[in-house]
Amino acid sequence: GQNIDQPTEMTATEGAIVQINCTYQTSGFNGLFWYQQHAGEAPTFLSYNVLDGLEEKGRFSSFLSRSKGYSYLLLKELQMKDSASYLCASMDSNYQLIWGAGTKLIIKP
Amino acid sequence: GAVVSQHPSWVICKSGTSVKIECRSLDFQATTMFWYRQFPKQSLMLMATSNEGSKATYEQGVEKDKFLINHASLTLSTLTVTSAHPEDSSFYICSAKIVDPRTESTDTQYFGPGTRLTVL
Repeated sequence: GQNIDQPTEMTATEGAIVQINCTYQTSGFNGLFWYQQHAGEAPTFLSYNVLDGLEEKGRFSSFLSRSKGYSYLLLKELQMKDSASYLCASMDSNYQLIWGAGTKLIIKP
Repeated sequence: GAVVSQHPSWVICKSGTSVKIECRSLDFQATTMFWYRQFPKQSLMLMATSNEGSKATYEQGVEKDKFLINHASLTLSTLTVTSAHPEDSSFYICSAKIVDPRTESTDTQYFGPGTRLTVL
């Protein structure tokens, strides 16, 4: 079956670095997305990886290993406003999105 | 496993026709369902929020007469794109707010796999 796993909740300190992992098993693969969602708001697009490697975009970076079915989102210089849920979603061969349940990230001062 | 399903997964239609997309919560009752539209590699744009048994709440700029939403039961919401045009071609995603058995929180959203609509 198709499956996405990511931790339910993580806690980190302001100014620190945190890595949110995501493992996936999908029928075919057409890329992996990361979204940020603040409570009561629509998910905001963060990154899209379809090739292996690290893509850096400011304080956020996303990594993909297709052979391992693994991705991570790296957040540097954490700010209080980064407290949110982070959703990992894999697109399968039919261009359907398989969603993870989201990782709630709590930032402490 | 999947908590929210959508049907169809993709649809191609002619301009001027209407298309209905179904969103179902599987084995859970969802009092609130959301409909989003996604453009390639962009954020999800909330179109409307639907609560079972009541009229949907549309976001500013979304035509309610064009995007008809019916949330007839606790497990089913439908989005009908009426008189579809090529500019309506997009990826439509629904989500359901369900009581999360892990935390018993009602703030957890589960997203559907999406429906790709292409209007010729």
